[in-house]
Amino acid sequence: GAGVSQSPRYKVAKRGQDVALRCDPISGHVSLFWYQQALGQGPEFLTYFQNEAQLDKSGLPSDRFFAERPEGSVSTLKIQRTQQEDSAVYLCASSLLAGGRDTQYFGPGTRLTVL
Amino acid sequence: KQEVTQIPAALSVPEGENLVLNCSFTDSAIYNLQWFRQDPGKGLTSLLLIQSSQREQTSGRLNASLDKSSGRSTLYIAASQPGDSATYLCAAFYGQNFVFGPGTRLSVLP
Repeated sequence: GAGVSQSPRYKVAKRGQDVALRCDPISGHVSLFWYQQALGQGPEFLTYFQNEAQLDKSGLPSDRFFAERPEGSVSTLKIQRTQQEDSAVYLCASSLLAGGRDTQYFGPGTRLTVL
Repeated sequence: KQEVTQIPAALSVPEGENLVLNCSFTDSAIYNLQWFRQDPGKGLTSLLLIQSSQREQTSGRLNASLDKSSGRSTLYIAASQPGDSATYLCAAFYGQNFVFGPGTRLSVLP
């Protein structure tokens, strides 16, 4: 079935490089979330989109992190000038309703390793 | 600050046992609470969602309860199976974002 997909699944970057992570949510889902998950910890909220509008970006750790969802479907998380502390799994989730008050469906994640 | 904790951090049980996983949240103004399962190298799979107005939800061998006033939720797994081995995370939803606990790593031994 058509779930949430993310690409690439694995990304290795040298410190200082820019990376772009893609999320394809379930078709028709209004809400889209990005999370960062460090090893052995639970996911931490980064940002939330309702359709194309970024309503909450309070979790983005620095101005090197930027997310967009220009047409209200596919979303891209961009990290500029990557640092070693950016190494983590980046998870995307979508839900049908606005506000994300219903079940969230997660993608498999992108594991980013910054050397 | 909104925080979610889970006890125990890890649990190992023989097959067939009934078990309880605990979740606590500091801010009781939640919209809902969701339990997820995460297998190694995989994303999260939603198991149960309890709205703030509800006390419990059931799905098969899983039952989750919610006590907003005390800031607690429990996930009850009946007749555990080796296939239940995974990390279980609870997440409190506060309006536009989830706050996740660190998870309980469960191993069910055959």
